[in-house]
Amino acid sequence: EVQLVESGGGLVQPGRSLRLSCTGSGFNFGDYAMTWVRQAPGKGLQWLGVIRNKAYGGTTEYAASVKGRFTISRDDSKSVFYLHMNSLRTEDTGLYYCLRPLAYWGQGALVTVSS
Amino acid sequence: SYELTQPPSVSVSPGQTARITCFGDALSREYVYWYQQKSGQAPVLVIYEDTKRFSGIPERFSGSSSGTVATLSISGAQVEDAADYYCYSTNISVNGKEGVFGGGTKVTVL
Repeated sequence: EVQLVESGGGLVQPGRSLRLSCTGSGFNFGDYAMTWVRQAPGKGLQWLGVIRNKAYGGTTEYAASVKGRFTISRDDSKSVFYLHMNSLRTEDTGLYYCLRPLAYWGQGALVTVSS
Repeated sequence: SYELTQPPSVSVSPGQTARITCFGDALSREYVYWYQQKSGQAPVLVIYEDTKRFSGIPERFSGSSSGTVATLSISGAQVEDAADYYCYSTNISVNGKEGVFGGGTKVTVL
């Protein structure tokens, strides 16, 4: 069974950084691209970015709204990928989901950016 | 930036057909995916590659796509189908290939 578990969420002050992790199990992690999506409270889904698998160079793509502030990386030896978030803003508050495109989602990690 | 446009809400009586549209300039060349999200839960894939039903999804859900519009249909809607529905697709721009979700459609069945 494919499982994805996010961790690392919490309360952070504006301007600070935070790193989310997503651990996958039940599949060969290194074979798949992985994606981050977020959902602000009461709002819709927002695609944040993707990291491809090594066969496709491990390259990344980002939404224009977070490019330059957010970075996605992966460690296939640990079946984990990450979302590094810098210069956080109050509008970055939300539930952050990792997914194995496009069918398998974690349950989300809550990030609250507030002073 | 690229956008996918959905109606904010759709209402349907039980047993009737609900149709949710998704408009996007790139839909004629990119696949559409549909997700169902119930309150407090992670989204669930319903339709992939325009028309294919994901594993375990009831046959009353179907997808179609023509030109710049994709449609999710729920034939014989059930009370348990009440949820938010999102379309998803991709777009290639100068920034690379990015994913985009529609704004979501709240489906009410009553």
